[in-house]
Amino acid sequence: QKEVEQDPGPLSVPEGAIVSLNCTYSNSAFQYFMWYRQYSRKGPELLMYTYSSGNKEDGRFTAQVDKSSKYISLFIRDSQPSDSATYLCAMRGNYGQNFVFGPGTRLSVLP
Amino acid sequence: NAGVTQTPKFRVLKTGQSMTLLCAQDMNHEYMYWYRQDPGMGLRLIHYSVGEGTTAKGEVPDGYNVSRLKKQNFLLGLESAAPSQTSVYFCASSRPRGNNQPQHFGDGTRLSIL
Repeated sequence: QKEVEQDPGPLSVPEGAIVSLNCTYSNSAFQYFMWYRQYSRKGPELLMYTYSSGNKEDGRFTAQVDKSSKYISLFIRDSQPSDSATYLCAMRGNYGQNFVFGPGTRLSVLP
Repeated sequence: NAGVTQTPKFRVLKTGQSMTLLCAQDMNHEYMYWYRQDPGMGLRLIHYSVGEGTTAKGEVPDGYNVSRLKKQNFLLGLESAAPSQTSVYFCASSRPRGNNQPQHFGDGTRLSIL
């Protein structure tokens, strides 16, 4: 079993839809959680960062962490074609460890 | 502001050949990383460096060597390329982990080993 799992997709939604992207993990020591967005043939770029449990909102994006279920989510409201990309979750423990990345979910938002 | 620059962007090698991938960052970051990205596997850490003159192994270090002679540069070497090393390689940099800074990535080097 991989340490971090993501549904690889592709996930296709119509423009304006609410998108839910999810990661599950097995290491209960993970405390820091990040979401990266990666456009085709580009490097990942940081989208959202959260520490421990709870929600964080930034514009159309909301990151949610449920440590009891070892489950994190990224919600995209009013999705746009420009949101079409691969979304990677990344997480690590609390003692200066390196981040572990999920395999990514490919999202297509259709006009 | 260039951020993280990787050269070359694309390369084809024959089995057994050697090459060096170059990563340069202009953000004065202490930490630098080399990852490989394969379908269904996500980003896997090859080697990393927490400062000039230091390097450490990541998750998949075998077959690779690295050097950090200058703070702004991090080199990844393949001494004898194998088809299993066909991948997209990403370099990243960040401030020290203690501040939980995000990693800034380059746009990758696409490497094919025939």
